[in-house]
Amino acid sequence: NAGVTQTPKFQVLKTGQSMTLQCAQDMNHNSMYWYRQDPGMGLRLIYYSASEGTTDKGEVPNGYNVSRLNKREFSLRLESAAPSQTSVYFCASSITLDRYEQYFGPGTRLTVT
Amino acid sequence: QKEVEQDPGPLSVPEGAIVSLNCTYSNSAFQYFMWYRQYSRKGPELLMYTYSSGNKEDGRFTAQVDKSSKYISLFIRDSQPSDSATYLCAMSDPGGAQKLVFGQGTRLTINP
Repeated sequence: NAGVTQTPKFQVLKTGQSMTLQCAQDMNHNSMYWYRQDPGMGLRLIYYSASEGTTDKGEVPNGYNVSRLNKREFSLRLESAAPSQTSVYFCASSITLDRYEQYFGPGTRLTVT
Repeated sequence: QKEVEQDPGPLSVPEGAIVSLNCTYSNSAFQYFMWYRQYSRKGPELLMYTYSSGNKEDGRFTAQVDKSSKYISLFIRDSQPSDSATYLCAMSDPGGAQKLVFGQGTRLTINP
């Protein structure tokens, strides 16, 4: 039982490049989330998916897109990376939106130069 | 003013000490309160979950919620070097888990 997995662990991009961060969970959870973590800012929600087939914007969605591929997988895409997107990205999941306990993956460290 | 305030520390205490970590908040609608532990370069790990007011104990950890003061605490008894990590508080109103608001975390070091 791996919980929440994320790939890649590290990535360096040049400004304007695109990439997709992958997330998968094996806990049969319905809801999934993407956060970014920056020093002094705490965790901020980028996008979330209440259930398979739905996605919604969080607090800081600009510059990102998401896809809920199936119940297990939720990907985050940066279409044209900017230095302001340098951050650590975490994927999380919960049983449903009504269950507040979220379980996090190990994170992806992204640097945009 | 941030909805959730948490002293970033760092906090350094000797092994065996009782540690008190705290968060204050401004939104009186918050009902769900959590503490996460995050080791360096790892993802946050859920430590404690409390609904509404009161205390919850799990081993060496005790979570307290005082809604009248808008103040939550995490106590660690008999602290160990393995407790060295950043501790994040998180809380939400009943609108759903997507509304979870995190504190910025307190960095804690337990010295042997």
